[in-house]
This record gives sequence, C-alpha cells and structure tokens, in this order.
Amino acid sequence: EPEVTQTPSHQVTQMGQEVILRCVPISNHLYFYWYRQILGQKVEFLVSFYNNEISEKSEIFDDQFSVERPDGSNFTLKIRSTKLEDSAMYFCASSPLAGEWSNQPQHFGDGTRLSIL
Amino acid sequence: SQELEQSPQSLIVQEGKNLTINCTSSKTLYGLYWYKQKYGEGLIFLMMLQKGGEEKSHEKITAKLDEKKQQSSLHITASQPSHAGIYLCGAPRGTYKYIFGTGTRLKVLA
Repeated sequence: EPEVTQTPSHQVTQMGQEVILRCVPISNHLYFYWYRQILGQKVEFLVSFYNNEISEKSEIFDDQFSVERPDGSNFTLKIRSTKLEDSAMYFCASSPLAGEWSNQPQHFGDGTRLSIL
Repeated sequence: SQELEQSPQSLIVQEGKNLTINCTSSKTLYGLYWYKQKYGEGLIFLMMLQKGGEEKSHEKITAKLDEKKQQSSLHITASQPSHAGIYLCGAPRGTYKYIFGTGTRLKVLA
C-alpha cells in the first residue's frame, strides 16, 4: 500500500540554525499538510498546500516557517532560525481530496523528530 | 476549551477485556476519523465515519458516530497487547485542516 515517507526520522540542530524536513506524499494525492506534535501534547495543524500554494495556515506557522514543493514528488518544510520550542515531532500528510465532505482521509508519515539544542 | 475531547485520557486493561474510548466535539461534526499512534511514531488511519449513526468495524475495532450528540465511540473487543498505543480522533475543520483530540493512551496487560 502506498505511504507517505518522511526524512530524516530524527534531526538534531543547534538553536538558530535552519532545518529542512522532507516528505514524499502519496503519488496521486493533491493536498499536502504539515502538523506538529510537541511531546505529550496534541497533534496541531501547521499548514496545507494545494496547487503549489498555501491554502491554509495556523497561527503557529509564522514567518519562520515556509513550505515548498520543489519537484513533482517532494514536499518540504523549512524552519529558519530554529528555537528551542520548535522541538517536536513533525508529521507530513497527504490526501487525494479535501474538505469537510470529502470521504478521503489524510494519510500520515512516520514523522521527523526535531530536537533543538 | 478543547474542540475534541477524548475520554478516558488513559486506560489499562487486561488482555481479553473489552474497552471503549469516547470522542466528543464542541462543534458540529461533519466527519470523524480515528487514528492510532504508537509511541513516538506516525499516525495510522483506522477508520472514517461520515454519517450519523454510521458504524464501521475493522478486525476487533468498531467505531460509531452519533451526530446528534456530536460524539464518536471506539470499541475494542477482546483486547490484545498489539492494540496498545495512543488512539486519536480527528475531525475536519474547514476545507483543509484536521483538528485532533487529546488522545487516549491504551495499555494492554498480557
């Protein structure tokens, strides 16, 4: 069964450095998402991406964050000048359709554990 | 206040016992998704409920949606150690975003 793949599985970075988290969504999916989960807390929506542009973002997704689909398969999340509080598990998800009436769930990758020192 | 509240927050059961996890929404539910997360890993899609009164089953897991109560329940029959993990309910909010519940940590004692 096709799956969402994320790399790396674990990233350790010094505070203030930039990180790029990579995702390969399921190939026929059109909608892409990033979520994060701080240890012990809820999974929180960051951003959704469709047709090469951001379709929705949360208040967490400030100027420090950016997303890109550099080619036909990868979907990346860049965090500039990382802070300690960026330490979390970051999940990529994709879906073929979107919307409250969609009958297609979002499929999640295994996540990248980001540790900021 | 939490939009999706799950109960209980954690559950420890003996292998072979049945259990139920609830998810209650403070807003109208247009659909409800159940995921399972193993500790420190990704979210595995279990099932999706879209219509009031809908009930779905997968192996020993059954989920129901009560639209009027804005609530869903997940029931595991004859639990096994492989059922251990964190169960999350999720719901769409608008076109693109999911929100997730607080999670229920399940431990099954062999």
